[in-house]
Amino acid sequence: GQQVMQIPQYQHVQEGEDFTTYCNSSTTLSNIQWYKQRPGGHPVFLIQLVKSGEVKKQKRLTFQFGEAKKNSSLHITATQTTDVGTYFCTYSGGGADGLTFGKGTHLIIQP
Amino acid sequence: KAGVTQTPRYLIKTRGQQVTLSCSPISGHRSVSWYQQTPGQGLQFLFEYFSETQRNKGNFPGRFSGRQFSNSRSEMNVSTLELGDSALYLCASRRTSGSPAYEQYFGPGTRLTVT
Repeated sequence: GQQVMQIPQYQHVQEGEDFTTYCNSSTTLSNIQWYKQRPGGHPVFLIQLVKSGEVKKQKRLTFQFGEAKKNSSLHITATQTTDVGTYFCTYSGGGADGLTFGKGTHLIIQP
Repeated sequence: KAGVTQTPRYLIKTRGQQVTLSCSPISGHRSVSWYQQTPGQGLQFLFEYFSETQRNKGNFPGRFSGRQFSNSRSEMNVSTLELGDSALYLCASRRTSGSPAYEQYFGPGTRLTVT
């Protein structure tokens, strides 16, 4: 099936700095979802994007779906220690593909 | 509303054995999916069940199987365990109507160690 590439794989930031992770696909996606997994925890749904150019905000988090629907980004403003974890993008291709997850971006925050 | 529950939480098995993991979805959720999570491969989709029927299947060998019962509870089975099957197995349930369409609720997972 299709693959989504997430970059960077790891990101170290100082608390208070901004953070951005990117999700890229070689083909057009009909939808994209973002999940967060805390260390030792399970993935938790953050947001779903379906429209070209869509931008959604959740407090300090901003999610964007590219105009061509081939990429997406998650931006966190002024990171806090509670933001630590792995951020995954995923999409559903429908049919027999199920949900395909990217490898995730591990966010490490130094106080 | 209770979340997704998985049993057991931890399991140690020997190569060649088989294992059955259980998942109870959120009440009202009829779709249950299973994922394998390893440090090297990340989160990989195993299969999805809806109304007791397998709807989607990932790229895993036939040793991995599952089923869903009429109350939407699901089990997955791995036969002839290999060392590489050591992983966190996550179950997720979702609504099949309404929005967002693909929001999945994950359980805490079963940590399987094969020795």
